[in-house]
Amino acid sequence: AQKVTQAQTEISVVEKEDVTLDCVYETRDTTYYLFWYKQPPSGELVFLIRRNSFDEQNEISGRYSWNFQKSTSSFNFTITASQVVDSAVYFCALSEAGSYKYIFGTGTRLKVLA
Amino acid sequence: GAVVSQHPSWVICKSGTSVKIECRSLDFQATTMFWYRQFPKQSLMLMATSNEGSKATYEQGVEKDKFLINHASLTLSTLTVTSAHPEDSSFYICSLASGREEETQYFGPGTRLLVL
Repeated sequence: AQKVTQAQTEISVVEKEDVTLDCVYETRDTTYYLFWYKQPPSGELVFLIRRNSFDEQNEISGRYSWNFQKSTSSFNFTITASQVVDSAVYFCALSEAGSYKYIFGTGTRLKVLA
Repeated sequence: GAVVSQHPSWVICKSGTSVKIECRSLDFQATTMFWYRQFPKQSLMLMATSNEGSKATYEQGVEKDKFLINHASLTLSTLTVTSAHPEDSSFYICSLASGREEETQYFGPGTRLLVL
């Protein structure tokens, strides 16, 4: 069965600190996709990144970076030099190839304090 | 990415009435749309998968006669909450699958429903 675990329910950091959001997944499929979405207080989910199971390269986009490790079934998300605008709920999701259906984690609420 | 709109953004209704929520794809044709429900401080729960021109596929535990989904065109899917009750109060979000971008879903801004 597929499952996504975001063990951190809520994290608070002070502005400019780095923070890592953990995501651990379970799947029996060899081909799958992993995603991160940001849900700010407005409610709309914002797509951040997609990674397929064959691409283990880490990715950096500005202050955001992602560490995908198949050996530990993890897809962690790091925000460098956090800002107040980063305050949101972040969801990790898993999709098996061809289904388009997501399995969402429970989300991590990030609070960045000024 | 894809641009998705939802209407209305929020709605308050009396118990027993029906409410229709529209989900539109603004910049491409979506063969598959999804409807989610999100209660406060919880994750998104998939309610149903909506395919253009065919009946929606509902997740276990979701009443298809209560949550009517119509995907009549490649740019519009509607969710009708029939005979709404206070426990149906929630945040309803639609998304569409972008066939161009490997499994990626793009989400609408959501509709907040409050049933009095």
